[in-house]
Amino acid sequence: EAGVAQSPRYKIIEKRQSVAFWCNPISGHATLYWYQQILGQGPKLLIQFQNNGVVDDSQLPKDRFSAERLKGVDSTLKIQPAKLEDSAVYLCASSTAGVYNEQFFGPGTRLTVL
Amino acid sequence: SQELEQSPQSLIVQEGKNLTINCTSSKTLYGLYWYKQKYGEGLIFLMMLQKGGEEKSHEKITAKLDEKKQQSSLHITASQPSHAGIYLCGADGAGNMLTFGGGTRLMVKP
Repeated sequence: EAGVAQSPRYKIIEKRQSVAFWCNPISGHATLYWYQQILGQGPKLLIQFQNNGVVDDSQLPKDRFSAERLKGVDSTLKIQPAKLEDSAVYLCASSTAGVYNEQFFGPGTRLTVL
Repeated sequence: SQELEQSPQSLIVQEGKNLTINCTSSKTLYGLYWYKQKYGEGLIFLMMLQKGGEEKSHEKITAKLDEKKQQSSLHITASQPSHAGIYLCGADGAGNMLTFGGGTRLMVKP
């Protein structure tokens, strides 16, 4: 069974530039999550989708971050414009619908903002 | 909001030694997950605990949730270099979102 795919794996940009990350969840997983993991910290949830609807985006900095999940499958996370403090690993995870379901994580995209 | 505190933050042990990592919650835990992360990789699911007093084991790793459901421990018996990595506890919140602790970085010296 294929896991959660993410691309790119690494990205280096300058501040004020834009960047986009892509995630393809495990087939059949209705729920998709984007987490931000700053070096030395645990992951922090940015946004959660159920199919193509947003369940929780309370921790998403909406002035610069946006995310979409068209057709309830793939998802993209965009940052525009990027700040130095956005340097982090962006993790995508997916799970089946419901509670207490294991989340399967992708390898992450490491973003460096210079 | 729920907060998880992990201790220790980092740990260096000699191969073959036992070790314990703790995760303490500010609120009652209704679902507690343990994940392992290697540098540059995503999180690998280890175990999930729900009931007070519950204990689960997989190979040489045992996780427990206390009766009050506010603290969990992860115990590794006879550590090996393959156990090295970052161990993260996560608590289940509303809508299956996870709140994570800060992680425990484990190094195992051969």
